[in-house]
Amino acid sequence: DIHLTQSPSTLSASVGDSVAITCRASQSVDTWLAWYQQKSGTPPKLLIYKASSLESGVPSRFRASGSGTEFTLAITNLQPDDFATYYCQQYHKSPWTFGQGTNVEIK
Amino acid sequence: QVQLVQSGAEVKRPGASVKVSCRTSGYGINNEHFSWVRQAAGHGLEWMGWMNLQTGNTAYADRFQGKVTLTRDASRNTVFMELSSLRFEDTAVYYCASGGMYNWKFWGQGTLVIVSS
Repeated sequence: DIHLTQSPSTLSASVGDSVAITCRASQSVDTWLAWYQQKSGTPPKLLIYKASSLESGVPSRFRASGSGTEFTLAITNLQPDDFATYYCQQYHKSPWTFGQGTNVEIK
Repeated sequence: QVQLVQSGAEVKRPGASVKVSCRTSGYGINNEHFSWVRQAAGHGLEWMGWMNLQTGNTAYADRFQGKVTLTRDASRNTVFMELSSLRFEDTAVYYCASGGMYNWKFWGQGTLVIVSS
């Protein structure tokens, strides 16, 4: 299975900050990578697909990039609604796998 | 507006089976892939398998092969996930998801399955 490692595991930030989350894959996934946001008690929400494509309705302050084994999700001008847990997911090779998550918390 | 509505929480004994339903509305069910993803405390998100609602084809993650069975009732716009030989570590929230074969923009609300003696 392809293993995804996210860093950091926890990130403390303030409203208005810019933050970045990294997702590293144990082997190349080309650009077959998605990012999700999840808040407590609710299902994940798709933010990004194919490494850098913004899902419809997702604010443009979310940007993502990368290919191969290293990917980044960047959030600029953090809003109160952005404090959540973020997961990367690869769909290059079955089984589709997720990173362990990055919790973005209020500083 | 696509909606996925899952059945309610379940409490089961070890060794039992559980069947969770996911009813969809607002979308052409026959053109959709439905996946199941579980989230157990301390284990993050795990993709379990998918079903193609048009063909009935299924695919399972290796670790769930023989453990999970996906079925559908197209007349009721409903898909089912049955988990057998339940163990304590199967305690988790189970989600159905659709909107794509590989990643998912539509999610059910989740079904908590508790395995307890």
